[in-house]
Amino acid sequence: ETGVTQSPTHLIKTRGQQVTLRCSSQSGHNTVSWYQQALGQGPQFIFQYYREEENGRGNFPPRFSGLQFPNYSSELNVNALELDDSALYLCASSQGGPPNTGELFFGEGSRLTVL
Amino acid sequence: AQSVTQPDIHITVSEGASLELRCNYSYGATPYLFWYVQSPGQGLQLLLKYFSGDTLVQGIKGFEAEFKRSQSSFNLRKPSVHWSDAAEYFCAVGALSNYQLIWGAGTKLIIKP
Repeated sequence: ETGVTQSPTHLIKTRGQQVTLRCSSQSGHNTVSWYQQALGQGPQFIFQYYREEENGRGNFPPRFSGLQFPNYSSELNVNALELDDSALYLCASSQGGPPNTGELFFGEGSRLTVL
Repeated sequence: AQSVTQPDIHITVSEGASLELRCNYSYGATPYLFWYVQSPGQGLQLLLKYFSGDTLVQGIKGFEAEFKRSQSSFNLRKPSVHWSDAAEYFCAVGALSNYQLIWGAGTKLIIKP
């Protein structure tokens, strides 16, 4: 069973640039959630995708957008990068969609640094 | 406002000693509660979860947690810690309808030899 994989693991961008982060969900999982974890803080929910549709969004501006593909992998796109976007971006997959009683499985994250 | 508070940023415990990590929450609906552990170089891993029923929940790696509705708390405990338990621990709360979890800021556990 393959776990959740994320790429790239580390990247550096400059202000104003755009970034795409990728996530392959665990085999059999159809729900993907994205979280932002700033240094020294807990994760913050960005959005969730279930069967290729956005199924909930946290308090993040529209320049944070996402996609889920038919194989349930997902992308997180961030436009017009700001310094405060520097963080660890976590992808988590789960099975079954709402109501969720299962477990979230997390990848190791993509560490984004914005200069 | 919905929130999770982990009052201790760091906790240092001797190997073999008992552990309690505190978690308090504020949540409008019936809370569903989780503890996750984050070790360096590894993804967040679920230790245990509470949805309903028995308020004392057993998890992996010898951890347990007790839900106390009257105190809005969900503290994590372990009777005897091992050096491999050194990690950061996060408490989270959510609704059954989705996984839009609200997380605490985490408690870093340091183990003294």
